[in-house]
Amino acid sequence: NAGVTQTPKFQVLKTGQSMTLQCAQDMNHEYMSWYRQDPGMGLRLIHYSVGAGITDQGEVPNGYNVSRSTTEDFPLRLLSAAPSQTSVYFCASRPWGDNEKLFFGSGTQLSVL
Amino acid sequence: DAKTTQPPSMDCAEGRAANLPCNHSTISGNEYVYWYRQIHSQGPQYIIHGLKNNETNEMASLIITEDRKSSTLILPHATLRDTAVYYCIVRRNNAGNMLTFGGGTRLMVKP
Repeated sequence: NAGVTQTPKFQVLKTGQSMTLQCAQDMNHEYMSWYRQDPGMGLRLIHYSVGAGITDQGEVPNGYNVSRSTTEDFPLRLLSAAPSQTSVYFCASRPWGDNEKLFFGSGTQLSVL
Repeated sequence: DAKTTQPPSMDCAEGRAANLPCNHSTISGNEYVYWYRQIHSQGPQYIIHGLKNNETNEMASLIITEDRKSSTLILPHATLRDTAVYYCIVRRNNAGNMLTFGGGTRLMVKP
């Protein structure tokens, strides 16, 4: 199993550009989520999904869209990038079950100029 | 989810035990204590979790006080590779949403 795969690893955008951060997992996990991490801070939840076709907002959802058309994929879309979205983004997944053991991807470092 | 309090930073000598405290005085009876760590530039990694009994795995031990208001993560023989930010999270299982992370404790293991 590859686990949780995020692409790209690095990205530079200009203000106002759009892009999609990709996240895929091959563990058949129901739960998937996106976090952002700013320098020196903990992780903040952006959006999450409890299964295909179901998404919900986290702590900091503004400026981001998500969809979950398949169990494997959970892309994060920035429709009009802003410098405040400069951050490291992590995707995570876990199976339905009786614990909260999350599996994280290796992250995408995004800079918005 | 119950709020947790952790010291912002700690040092530990290589080869010695690292004891990382976490206060969760408002924990509910059905809430578990989870520990994750994040090594620089990597995604967080699950370490261990427990409800009320002490737990041990290949990475660490988790000691939860009898009143469950605090816990300690123990790395028995810390190495330089254990230098990371350690997050303590309190949460009931299958709460419906996803884990939220606080500031954590930055552990520096020194030679």
